[in-house]
Amino acid sequence: QQQVKQSPQSLIVQKGGISIINCAYENTAFDYFPWYQQFPGKGPALLIAIRPDVSEKKEGRFTISFNKSAKQFSLHIMDSQPGDSATYFCAASYGNKLVFGAGTILRVKS
Amino acid sequence: GAVVSQHPSRVICKSGTSVKIECRSLDFQATTMFWYRQFPKKSLMLMATSNEGSKATYEQGVEKDKFLINHASLTLSTLTVTSAHPEDSSFYICSARVRTGIPDTQYFGPGTRLTVL
Repeated sequence: QQQVKQSPQSLIVQKGGISIINCAYENTAFDYFPWYQQFPGKGPALLIAIRPDVSEKKEGRFTISFNKSAKQFSLHIMDSQPGDSATYFCAASYGNKLVFGAGTILRVKS
Repeated sequence: GAVVSQHPSRVICKSGTSVKIECRSLDFQATTMFWYRQFPKKSLMLMATSNEGSKATYEQGVEKDKFLINHASLTLSTLTVTSAHPEDSSFYICSARVRTGIPDTQYFGPGTRLTVL
């Protein structure tokens, strides 16, 4: 119930392509869904976040799509660049706590 | 805005010694700070939640006597790993939850790499 399932585990995308990472959750008490980007040896940085009353949110090249009925949400990175190569974590929040997905290692090939 | 710092960034210590890691919110007041542990190529594991001026709440399986957390002010929390052993070697990351604005947002520090010899 507390888990957030994230897929794929790793992803290789050509420069300019679209990277798509998917997450699913069970607990309907989750009310805030952020995505974090982490580079090796660094802490996670907040990328973009969404609440369940919104189906889509776009910030620059990053878009979150949210499907409340399916309890799924995804991150789309448009025009992926080598600098986007990092580990991406989805998360879900209820109350005080953030529950993280397992992470997706993204590599963008130039 | 919403910058969280950690000090030190790296620490190497001998088995049996104690290590203190500081977490500061630089440009905002944090109602709550969190401590996470991350193993290589793994996700973040919440260790404990601390509120300023009160005792930390530890997650199941985390030894509170081993991982001492002090949240002295709205901008500072410390994690002390007592009598560290090699199995405590890990990447420790703190986060802080903003007091105003989007209340659910956690901003993370850069992490501290602890190596226990």
